[in-house]
Amino acid sequence: AQKVTQAQTEISVVEKEDVTLDCVYETRDTTYYLFWYKQPPSGELVFLIRRNSFDEQNEISGRYSWNFQKSTSSFNFTITASQVVDSAVYFCALSERYNTDKLIFGTGTRLQVFP
Amino acid sequence: GAVVSQHPSWVICKSGTSVKIECRSLDFQATTMFWYRQFPKQSLMLMATSNEGSKATYEQGVEKDKFLINHASLTLSTLTVTSAHPEDSSFYICSAPFGRALTGELFFGEGSRLTVL
Repeated sequence: AQKVTQAQTEISVVEKEDVTLDCVYETRDTTYYLFWYKQPPSGELVFLIRRNSFDEQNEISGRYSWNFQKSTSSFNFTITASQVVDSAVYFCALSERYNTDKLIFGTGTRLQVFP
Repeated sequence: GAVVSQHPSWVICKSGTSVKIECRSLDFQATTMFWYRQFPKQSLMLMATSNEGSKATYEQGVEKDKFLINHASLTLSTLTVTSAHPEDSSFYICSAPFGRALTGELFFGEGSRLTVL
């Protein structure tokens, strides 16, 4: 069975702090995809990244970076120098090899960045 | 701009009535769309896969007769909550694959918040 675990329910930081959101997944597939989405208070999900299971290179995009470690089944997300606008719920998700459009979401981590 | 649009954004209805939520793909065709449900402060749970021209595929535990899905055209899927009750109150979100092969991105609608009184 596939499963995504985001153990951190809520995180609060002060602006400019770095913060890491954890994501651990379970799957029997050898090929799969991992995603991170941001859900601001408005509700719309905003795509951040997709990573396939064969690409373990870390990714950096501005203040965002992702660390994919297949050995520990983790796909962690770090925000450097956090800003108030980063406040949102962040979801990690997993999709199947043969149905990559069907996502299994984690329970989300609510990040609050205070000025 | 958004490539998947939902309507209405929010709806309040009386218990026992039926509510229809639309999900449209803008400027692209979607043979498949997905419907998710999100409870307050909780994750998104996949309810069903909407297939154009055929029956929807429901996830385990989702009542087919309660949540009717119709994918009548390549740009429109509808979710009808029949005989709504307060426990059906939730945030419903649809998604459609667009450009996935190129960007890996799945686009989601803005969501529809249903409140059943």
